[in-house]
Amino acid sequence: EVQLVESGGGLVQPGGSLRLSCAASGFTFSSYSMNWVRQAPGKGLEWVSYISSSSSTIYYADSVKGRFTISRDNAKNSLYLQMNSLRDEDTAVYYCAREGITFGGVIVLYYFDYWGQGTLVTVSS
Amino acid sequence: EIVLTQSPGTLSLSPGERATLSCRASQSVSSSYLAWYQQKPGQAPRLLIYGASSRATGIPDRFSGSGSGTDFTLTISRLEPEDFAVYYCQQYGSSRTWTFGQGTKVEIK
Repeated sequence: EVQLVESGGGLVQPGGSLRLSCAASGFTFSSYSMNWVRQAPGKGLEWVSYISSSSSTIYYADSVKGRFTISRDNAKNSLYLQMNSLRDEDTAVYYCAREGITFGGVIVLYYFDYWGQGTLVTVSS
Repeated sequence: EIVLTQSPGTLSLSPGERATLSCRASQSVSSSYLAWYQQKPGQAPRLLIYGASSRATGIPDRFSGSGSGTDFTLTISRLEPEDFAVYYCQQYGSSRTWTFGQGTKVEIK
């Protein structure tokens, strides 16, 4: 059974730092790209960051570029999000999500097929 | 950057009724990269539809997706009590970035 379990959330002051972790099990972690998605209280979903299976390709949303760093350790089946210079607007539940791929001839389909339960990050003084 | 606009914001229906949810993109989107998710309170999103029309594993056939270009639709043929939730569309853009719509809440009338 595929499982993604986030941890590391909590209360932090503006300007502070936090490191989120996502422990993966039930699949070959090193074969999949991963993403972080967040959801502010009562709001919709916002994609945060992407990392390829080998860590060779990384992307960030403009809202976190230069402040957040995504990484992974395939030996430990773990995904990370280092969050620095945190702002009030970073308050959200943070989800890790596996990027699934289906090959249909010349077409490649991408989607997020498994999600963790989320970890809450609260930025407040 | 492509913006996804979902409508209506809230849909009030009774169990057994048909639900039609719309997702409109600000510019043409490849159908291969359009997905739909369901989210219930306090839970993570769940993949329903990918590639605009393919049902994810374990998703009942009352859920169907359609559309192309800039207009996509999620249809729930007959609402079951467990289908009342928030639904999001999502598209994969350039440079491996992703965009979500703002969501449609399907509530019990």
